[in-house]
Amino acid sequence: EVQLVESGGGLVQPGGSLRLSCAASGFTFSSYEMNWVRQAPGKGLEWVSYISSSGSTIYYADSVKGRFTISRDNAKNSLYLQMNSLRAEDTAVYYCARTHDYGDHDAFDIWGQGTMVTVSS
Amino acid sequence: DIQLTQSPSFLSASVGDRVTITCRASQGISSYLAWYQQKPGKAPKLLIYAASTLQSGVPSRFSGSGSGTEFTLTISSLQPEDFATYYCQQLNSYSFTFGPGTKVDIK
Repeated sequence: EVQLVESGGGLVQPGGSLRLSCAASGFTFSSYEMNWVRQAPGKGLEWVSYISSSGSTIYYADSVKGRFTISRDNAKNSLYLQMNSLRAEDTAVYYCARTHDYGDHDAFDIWGQGTMVTVSS
Repeated sequence: DIQLTQSPSFLSASVGDRVTITCRASQGISSYLAWYQQKPGKAPKLLIYAASTLQSGVPSRFSGSGSGTEFTLTISSLQPEDFATYYCQQLNSYSFTFGPGTKVDIK
């Protein structure tokens, strides 16, 4: 079964750090581009970060640039998000999502169940 | 960055109704648009990619159309399991913006 499972969420104080992980199974992880998407409580979806299949190309949303770092370990079939200098507005469910290349077009076809990050004192 | 708007933001409908949701982009994105369905407490589910191509396993009552800056998602006959929030997403350029969502509720 194709699956993504996030972990690492929790309660952290403002200014603190947290590292999220996403374990992939059921597909050749090293062949796929990956993303982090977040959703604040009661709000819509916000794309956070992208990493290419090799890890050589990375993009961030302006809201997290300079504070978050995306990475991957293809040998371990894992995706990571290191989050530093956390703010209250970073409170959200964080999803990892796979990019599927349908030829000329992409879409996020597989999503994890999400992990909750709460930034509060 | 490309911005997406959706209308309406909320709609109330009955089982069997035909429902149309519109997504507008702040600049042309060709057909680089996807639609997702999200139910409370669950991850989003891909419905349509490339503006009009149905993802495998998605019922044929869902359809998408449009190109450039205006797109629509249509549910031809609303079913009980379709009550959810729907998001469009542009994949034309990195920032992969999502629309604000349209909540479809039971009338």
